[in-house]
Amino acid sequence: DAKTTQPTSMDCAEGRAANLPCNHSTISGNEYVYWYRQIHSQGPQYIIHGLKNNETNEMASLIITEDRKSSTLILPHATLRDTAVYYCIVGYSTLTFGKGTMLLVSP
Amino acid sequence: SQTIHQWPATLVQPVGSPLSLECTVEGTSNPNLYWYRQAAGRGLQLLFYSVGIGQISSEVPQNLSASRPQDRQFILSSKKLLLSDSGFYLCAWSGDRGGTEAFFGQGTRLTVV
Repeated sequence: DAKTTQPTSMDCAEGRAANLPCNHSTISGNEYVYWYRQIHSQGPQYIIHGLKNNETNEMASLIITEDRKSSTLILPHATLRDTAVYYCIVGYSTLTFGKGTMLLVSP
Repeated sequence: SQTIHQWPATLVQPVGSPLSLECTVEGTSNPNLYWYRQAAGRGLQLLFYSVGIGQISSEVPQNLSASRPQDRQFILSSKKLLLSDSGFYLCAWSGDRGGTEAFFGQGTRLTVV
C-alpha cells in the first residue's frame, strides 16, 4: 500500500501557482519524498525529490515540513501542459505509487 | 546521457500466447531496473525489480516472470497470457544507490484478446 495521502483532484488557473499537498506521516528516517507526474498514455516523468531540505529545480519546488510528515509540490506558473496526474511517493530504493492527484490547469 | 528503450509501443496478443517485452538502458552501468504495470484507470503496480544480473525480486505473484540476462537489459515474459494481463507495462531504471530518482520508458500497451 502507498504510504502517502493526496487529494484526488485539484484545479488551477493557467499562470497561477499550483500547490499540491501530500501527507506521509509514517515516513521512515532514510526514505525520500519523490514527485512524479503522468500525462495520459505516457510513462511517469520525474519531477523532484528530497530528504529533509526544501528543493528547487527548473520544473518545481518541493517544500518538506520539519517533521517530514507532509510536503508540498509547487509549480510556480502552471501551464495547460502541466495537466497530469501527480504522484507523491516516499521510499528509498523501490517506489510504490498511489492514486495521485489529478491536476487540471484551465485557461 | 542516459536513455531507456522499451518496445514494442503497442501489442495485441491472443489469450494463451507467450509474451516477451524488452527494456534496455544506455549510458549507465549497474542500474536498478523495474517493471511496473498500470491497468486501465488504475495506479502503477510494481511487478519486479532487479539490482543486478540474474537478481530478480517479485512484488506480486502472477502469471509473469522477469529476467536480467545482461547488466542493462530487463525482460518481462509470460508463457501463456491471460485476459487480466492486459495493461500498460512500464520499465524504469534508477541508480544503484538508494535515494536516487527513477526514469521511466514510454511503455508498452498490451491488449490480450
